[in-house]
Amino acid sequence: ETGVTQTPRHLVMGMTNKKSLKCEQHLGHNAMYWYKQSAKKPLELMFVYSLEERVENNSVPSRFSPECPNSSHLFLHLHTLQPEDSALYLCASSQEERGGRYGYTFGSGTRLTVV
Amino acid sequence: AQKVTQAQTEISVVEKEDVTLDCVYETRDTTYYLFWYKQPPSGELVFLIRRNSFDEQNEISGRYSWNFQKSTSSFNFTITASQVVDSAVYFCALSEDSNYQLIWGAGTKLIIKP
Repeated sequence: ETGVTQTPRHLVMGMTNKKSLKCEQHLGHNAMYWYKQSAKKPLELMFVYSLEERVENNSVPSRFSPECPNSSHLFLHLHTLQPEDSALYLCASSQEERGGRYGYTFGSGTRLTVV
Repeated sequence: AQKVTQAQTEISVVEKEDVTLDCVYETRDTTYYLFWYKQPPSGELVFLIRRNSFDEQNEISGRYSWNFQKSTSSFNFTITASQVVDSAVYFCALSEDSNYQLIWGAGTKLIIKP
């Protein structure tokens, strides 16, 4: 298994659907992150989990709901999304909450399209 | 405030040319870390290098080299003898010891033409 695995790779959903993105890391890291990457916009940090506890929520709308059941798994639950939520959603992990010292390991991302 | 500027939005060169991607950063911390990541069309952000603020030695890894200059707050990345497989978006990032969050540049899209 490679370091950080994200599923699905692609997702098309209607605005009334409920879906979940899954992230799994096999690196023994203690912190996990959700990033959003929209076209022609900077990478946006959405959520940070450290030792399964959410430590940051960057003003993300409530239609995005993260869940971290253990240090290896991270989910992003989606409901009643808007077309502007279409983006690449990237999961990352790091050795510690202060992940910036050592950098992050990223997954391949989920390309989400909301129709 | 911390900031990372990648002024080159897109660069296009012909294969085998050398190309330099610029990165300028701003920080008030004396201890900080700089990174370069590569994002190929597949989407995954691939770690290339990490440098801490106390290590100004330039680094070479195969065709890749990095020039860290604190005097100009720059951490530039050069690809020598570029290849089509180098085509990707390259991101420079900064983190400070006082803040765990990575600050990202806007990225430079590099196109290598055969």
